[in-house]
Amino acid sequence: EDQVTQSPEALRLQEGESSSLNCSYTVSGLRGLFWYRQDPGKGPEFLFTLYSAGEEKEKERLKATLTKKESFLHITAPKPEDSATYLCAVGLYGNKLVFGAGTILRVKS
Amino acid sequence: DSGVTQTPKHLITATGQRVTLRCSPRSGDLSVYWYQQSLDQGLQFLIQYYNGEERAKGNILERFSAQQFPDLHSELNLSSLELGDSALYFCASSVGERGGAEETQYFGPGTRLLVL
Repeated sequence: EDQVTQSPEALRLQEGESSSLNCSYTVSGLRGLFWYRQDPGKGPEFLFTLYSAGEEKEKERLKATLTKKESFLHITAPKPEDSATYLCAVGLYGNKLVFGAGTILRVKS
Repeated sequence: DSGVTQTPKHLITATGQRVTLRCSPRSGDLSVYWYQQSLDQGLQFLIQYYNGEERAKGNILERFSAQQFPDLHSELNLSSLELGDSALYFCASSVGERGGAEETQYFGPGTRLLVL
């Protein structure tokens, strides 16, 4: 069965304290890996798409990387406004997007 | 703002009732996807429509159905509602038909359904 696991479930950081979120997957036929940010009660907001191992993408304080079995979302010098739930999803053959449970990030000033 | 719109924002109804959720995709997008998000299940893919035709199906219950109209807006119909159907329902859209695999899906703000 296709599975996407995110860790940790929750992460508390001080402002400026860099860290990484992990997304590991056991799937057949990965076509793309997606990172989304979701604020409480709102729809997921697209961040990155990665297609092949070794690929990296950056946006402001966020950097996403991909290996054959996992992806990392690195957060450098986070600010309180980076607090959100970060969702990882894998795109599979058959047009299905499978989401992980998410990592809840809280950044304190 | 993703450009995907959903109505209504909130819906409160009783068990056994039927409701319809509406979604308008981003301008130019041909695919619409429906998702259910509950506290214990996370985001679950329900169904995809591309240019009016069903393209992919996920864990959608038989009590639920969807359609996409010629103007590309989509409706999700939920019938014989149960308490466990209370959740956030999201619509997403993508340009082509491969949003489940390779294209980016852009999500709407969601409809919060509460079944009492």
